Amino acid sequence: DTAVSQTPKYLVTQMGNDKSIKCEQNLGHDTMYWYKQDSKKFLKIMFSYNNKELIINETVPNRFSPKSPDKAHLNLHINSLELGDSAVYFCASSQIFSTEAFFGQGTRLTVV
Amino acid sequence: RKEVEQDPGPFNVPEGATVAFNCTYSNSASQSFFWYRQDCRKEPKLLMSVYSSGNEDGRFTAQLNRASQYISLLIRDSKLSDSATYLCAVNRGNTPLVFGKGTRLSVIA
Repeated sequence: DTAVSQTPKYLVTQMGNDKSIKCEQNLGHDTMYWYKQDSKKFLKIMFSYNNKELIINETVPNRFSPKSPDKAHLNLHINSLELGDSAVYFCASSQIFSTEAFFGQGTRLTVV
Repeated sequence: RKEVEQDPGPFNVPEGATVAFNCTYSNSASQSFFWYRQDCRKEPKLLMSVYSSGNEDGRFTAQLNRASQYISLLIRDSKLSDSATYLCAVNRGNTPLVFGKGTRLSVIA
């Protein structure tokens, strides 16, 4: 029974397209996140969503937008995809900020 | 200076060896500390939390030194299956976890 699940696992798309990645957690956690892991394996926070408050990492382009229909879901929309967006995107959740985070299996995005 | 820094390695050790990783953090307001393990092409998985008094889980021991702002992970009697990237993670209580770049460990037969 997967705790944090995200789909799709692989996504190959052309530059300029718009795509979405879905994430769901069944842990009853209040906080969800999107992280990006680039080719150098650095895991960097993009967004966190806690009690309807969105915290955005200021380095994230506004082509990226998170959408949370409810506490258990935090989807990621990306507009006008660029080559540099190619990376692995991880969804994660935690009870509160200071507790450990649990990760989804990742979505490997390749922009061609 | 990055908020969390780790020696990237790789650390290549023989089976049965003891290996230690350090991780330094720059923000003295950091409150929670964790070690994660990430296998190739997989998600990070929590290995252990790090408590102020230090803690042990089988062959793994984690230590926190607040004065010097670093955490450490000691792996005793290394197994082939310990080969992975070890990520330290830190947060300030009201912020998401910040990860180091990870230290790659290869345990060799």
